[in-house]
Amino acid sequence: DTGVSQNPRHKITKRGQNVTFRCDPISEHNRLYWYRQTLGQGPEFLTYFQNEAQLEKSRLLSDRFSAERPKGSFSTLEIQRTEQGDSAMYLCASSPVRAGETQYFGPGTRLLVL
Amino acid sequence: AQKVTQAQTEISVVEKEDVTLDCVYETRDTTYYLFWYKQPPSGELVFLIRRNSFDEQNEISGRYSWNFQKSTSSFNFTITASQVVDSAVYFCALLRGNRDDKIIFGKGTRLHILP
Repeated sequence: DTGVSQNPRHKITKRGQNVTFRCDPISEHNRLYWYRQTLGQGPEFLTYFQNEAQLEKSRLLSDRFSAERPKGSFSTLEIQRTEQGDSAMYLCASSPVRAGETQYFGPGTRLLVL
Repeated sequence: AQKVTQAQTEISVVEKEDVTLDCVYETRDTTYYLFWYKQPPSGELVFLIRRNSFDEQNEISGRYSWNFQKSTSSFNFTITASQVVDSAVYFCALLRGNRDDKIIFGKGTRLHILP
């Protein structure tokens, strides 16, 4: 019984470069979420999918951010033209479809933009 | 507006002491869910408990206990006989029922258990 996995765990990049993160949810979970956590803060919602459909996007998700879940399984989060303000921990979570279900989180990808 | 407030930014206690982490939430919904997560230094958020708004029964799990009081909009977490391994950041969180799927987190309380 594997949990949510994320790759890479750490990413260092230079400002202006593109980066892509991957999340593999718990296999029977239909919903997949992306959150961002900056130092000293709680995680903040970015977007979520139910199967392959992206159902909601936060205003935090600028045009430089795009997320996909093409086959309703794993998801990718891409940041184009990274900025130093993008430095954060990017967390992925998954849950079953029913309302109010617990979201189980992966280990996160820590991004540092130089 | 939905909001979660964890007024205690950082707490330090000596091992074996009891410690209570406070959480106050705001919501106008009648159906909602409350959570506590633990984030150790490794960074992964570990689920501890989920409570729905219709169940005010307090819960105990080993050394952990939770006190849910709708009258004061609080969902406090107590660790009894704390251990060094309890050192982490603890987040209280709110999920609106039937309308929303994004969890709203508090800013967290960093707990140091001193040997």
